[in-house]
Amino acid sequence: SQQGEEDPQALSIQEGENATMNCSYKTSINNLQWYRQNSGRGLVHLILIRSNEREKHSGRLRVTLDTSKKSSSLLITASRAADTASYFCATVPFTSGNTPLVFGKGTRLSVIA
Amino acid sequence: SAVISQKPSRDICQRGTSLTIQCQVDSQVTMMFWYRQQPGQSLTLIATANQGSEATYESGFVIDKFPISRPNLTFSTLTVSNMSPEDSSIYLCSVRQTGANVLTFGAGSRLTVL
Repeated sequence: SQQGEEDPQALSIQEGENATMNCSYKTSINNLQWYRQNSGRGLVHLILIRSNEREKHSGRLRVTLDTSKKSSSLLITASRAADTASYFCATVPFTSGNTPLVFGKGTRLSVIA
Repeated sequence: SAVISQKPSRDICQRGTSLTIQCQVDSQVTMMFWYRQQPGQSLTLIATANQGSEATYESGFVIDKFPISRPNLTFSTLTVSNMSPEDSSIYLCSVRQTGANVLTFGAGSRLTVL
């Protein structure tokens, strides 16, 4: 069953603005990950945040995790036209073994030059 | 991380036919995963392909409809059998990166069934 639910479903911003996408999930997790998908292609892993972490940075990306609210946010600062893509959160449920990732529905980001 | 070659990248198929998608990895991996992404939707795991054993299918997916082969540690195929328009999707193979539960994906195969 779907674990993550992103909002908004679609976001349109001007180049240079910041983009914030949110993800909510339902059960306890080991970690939460964000992926990017360009125009119906394969997904690319962006960043992973563990359940005991609250914030993580990677270049222009900032991810936060609030396990009490079962939510995460992805912030892209100083957006560029090349950031136009769909962004998915994926959770690893808190179980033993190699549990498959469960993906959310995604946010379609359009960055207008 | 591994590099995955997936083909075909896209195809248009007639109802009732079958199509086999190939996934080649540039390194040996234990598990390969096949996902389906219906238009405008998220990814749904179809099955996990293990070398030397039968694939493990998720709820709602059966071997007769989606037979999978895994002849060695670098290659897998997914067949979409007896296709209908509802099978129009992007099919993606992926592998887990070494030492982490992070996935690397192929570029996907976009199937359109008429």
